[in-house]
Amino acid sequence: EAGVAQSPRYKIIEKRQSVAFWCNPISGHATLYWYQQILGQGPKLLIQFQNNGVVDDSQLPKDRFSAERLKGVDSTLKIQPAKLEDSAVYLCASSEDRGTEAFFGQGTRLTVV
Amino acid sequence: AQKVTQAQTEISVVEKEDVTLDCVYETRDTTYYLFWYKQPPSGELVFLIRRNSFDEQNEISGRYSWNFQKSTSSFNFTITASQVVDSAVYFCALSGFSGGYNKLIFGAGTRLAVHP
Repeated sequence: EAGVAQSPRYKIIEKRQSVAFWCNPISGHATLYWYQQILGQGPKLLIQFQNNGVVDDSQLPKDRFSAERLKGVDSTLKIQPAKLEDSAVYLCASSEDRGTEAFFGQGTRLTVV
Repeated sequence: AQKVTQAQTEISVVEKEDVTLDCVYETRDTTYYLFWYKQPPSGELVFLIRRNSFDEQNEISGRYSWNFQKSTSSFNFTITASQVVDSAVYFCALSGFSGGYNKLIFGAGTRLAVHP
C-alpha cells in the first residue's frame, strides 16, 4: 500500500515570496491533516479536513496560509507571503476516519531567508 | 480544551537500560484516543500504538509496553533493554471528540538518546 506522498521535499524561498506544498493521502482515507513542525517542537495542527470539508483550522494563520482538498483526495497548502518564522517542516498525514491512526508523509522542509 | 504534556524533554540512557517516557493528557471528552509516534533522525513520524479511552489494558509489543491509567490521565511508554536504534524523538498524541470531530494534537516530544 502506498504511503502519504508529499512534494517538494525541500524548498528555500525569500521572505514575502509565495510557496505551495502538495499532498496525496493514502487511498480511501477520509481525514487529512496539515501540521507545522518547528525545529525542536511537536507537530502543530494547522488544518484538518474530513473528506472535502474543513473541520478545524483554528491555528491556521488565515491572513497568509490557505489550504484546499480537491474532490476529497489531494490537498495543497499555500503560504503567501512567507515570513521568516514560517521556516519549518510541513507534514501531511491521513487517516481512514476520525480517531484512527494517522500516517504521515516525509514532510516538506521550508526555509525562508 | 485538549492538551498533551510530555514533561521529559530529553532522556539519555546506556544500551540495555529500561526507560519510561511519560505522557499526561487533558480532555473533557469521554471518548478519546491516545497514540504514540516515533520520529527517527530521518524525520518521518512512525505510528506505534493507538488506544481508546474504554480500553485500559496494558499492551506489550516486543520490547515496547504501554501503561494507560485513566485515573491519572497518563499513557506512559516503556522500552525494555533499550538499543541504539531506539534513539529518536517520541511523541504522545490525543484525539478526542470536540465539537463533533476528532482533532489530533501532539505533545512536545521526548528526545531519547541511547548510547552504546
